[in-house]
Order: sequence, then structure tokens, then C-alpha cells
Amino acid sequence: DTAVSQTPKYLVTQMGNDKSIKCEQNLGHDTMYWYKQDSKKFLKIMFSYNNKELIINETVPNRFSPKSPDKAHLNLHINSLELGDSAVYFCASSQDSTAQNEQFFGPGTRLTVL
Amino acid sequence: KQEVTQIPAALSVPEGENLVLNCSFTDSAIYNLQWFRQDPGKGLTSLLLIQSSQREQTSGRLNASLDKSSGRSTLYIAASQPGDSATYLCAVRDSSYKLIFGSGTRLLVRP
Repeated sequence: DTAVSQTPKYLVTQMGNDKSIKCEQNLGHDTMYWYKQDSKKFLKIMFSYNNKELIINETVPNRFSPKSPDKAHLNLHINSLELGDSAVYFCASSQDSTAQNEQFFGPGTRLTVL
Repeated sequence: KQEVTQIPAALSVPEGENLVLNCSFTDSAIYNLQWFRQDPGKGLTSLLLIQSSQREQTSGRLNASLDKSSGRSTLYIAASQPGDSATYLCAVRDSSYKLIFGSGTRLLVRP
């Protein structure tokens, strides 16, 4: 299947822990994104990478650190997890960073911080 | 700052009805507008992408229109089916290349 995939699908952890979410796309796209969907269902961009380089970095706490080992992968590492980090995190990709391109989303990772 | 609003927030219709979902945005300087569908606990499925130079796009029973100057888009669903029940999200690609989402319309199509 050609798609954007994320692991894990669910993540339950204690406050203060460090966790990572992985994303992979096999669509041959150059650009990848991380979005956060909060409890009110608003989706907001967090980061965007184009060919492994950071191109969008929203006002996100520096506890969140994206890492792109290659252009097919964009992982999200979160340090010192807080209750407010509980949300659904979506990875997405597009052909490249030009504005005309459609974005394709992964299934999401539901993070619950206890 | 671009803001995207979707009305109504929720909609319940009997099967077979034609329906319209609305999306408005505050800054007309957009590159494109994308409609998505989100099923409960699932990811987003892209339905239609309208570039800023286009007026509408069609896919099956779905038709999306774009009036950039007035900051509006509509998603028309013909002959609705229970399987259309989902949350529909509208998003605009703004001048900073970011995709800005509305809060969605929750649609329930009753059998």
C-alpha cells in the first residue's frame, strides 16, 4: 500500500517521560509535516521538512524535536511530557513544498499523558 | 492572521438528501483550498483540492466550489448516504504555505 504510516497508533505514558512517534511515507514525496489535533478537534501545523531540512517551525515548545533521517521519514520526539501534550498527532506528506500540492495524511497517533 | 470557519458545526439529515457544507476564510490570499473527511478515530482523507485559479472541483457525488474574493467555499454532497457520516474539514494553504484548518462539520446521515 502506498501511504503515510505512523507508529504507534496509541501511546499512553506518564508525565515527565520522553517518547517518540515515527512516520514514514512511501509516496516518493519530498515534504513531510507534523500536525497536532487538540481536544476541540482543531488541527494545527507544528513542523514541516523538505528533503530533510526544516522549513516550517511553528511556536512549539522546544521539548518537541522533529528528526528526519531521510526524506521518507519524519519522527517526532517529545521530552518531559506534560498533560497538555495529550492530543492526536498527524503526520502528512506532499510532493514538494510548493503551495499547490495536495497533502496526504497518516492515520494519527493518539497520545495520552497521565 | 488567516482564520477558517465552518458552518454548521454539526448536521443531521435523512438519507438521500442533498446537502451543503460551508467554509469561510478571512484572508483571500490563498494558494488553494482542500476538503478532507475524518472518520472517528481515523486519519484524514483528502476529498478535493481546488487551486486558487479554479472555481470548482468534482469527484463523484461531491462538488466543491471556491469564491476566493469573498473568502468562501462550499462542499455539495448529492444523494447523501449513511456512509457519508463523518467530520468534514476545510483547510486553506495560506501565503506562508501553511495549511490552516477549520474546526469541521460533523455530518450524520440517518438511514
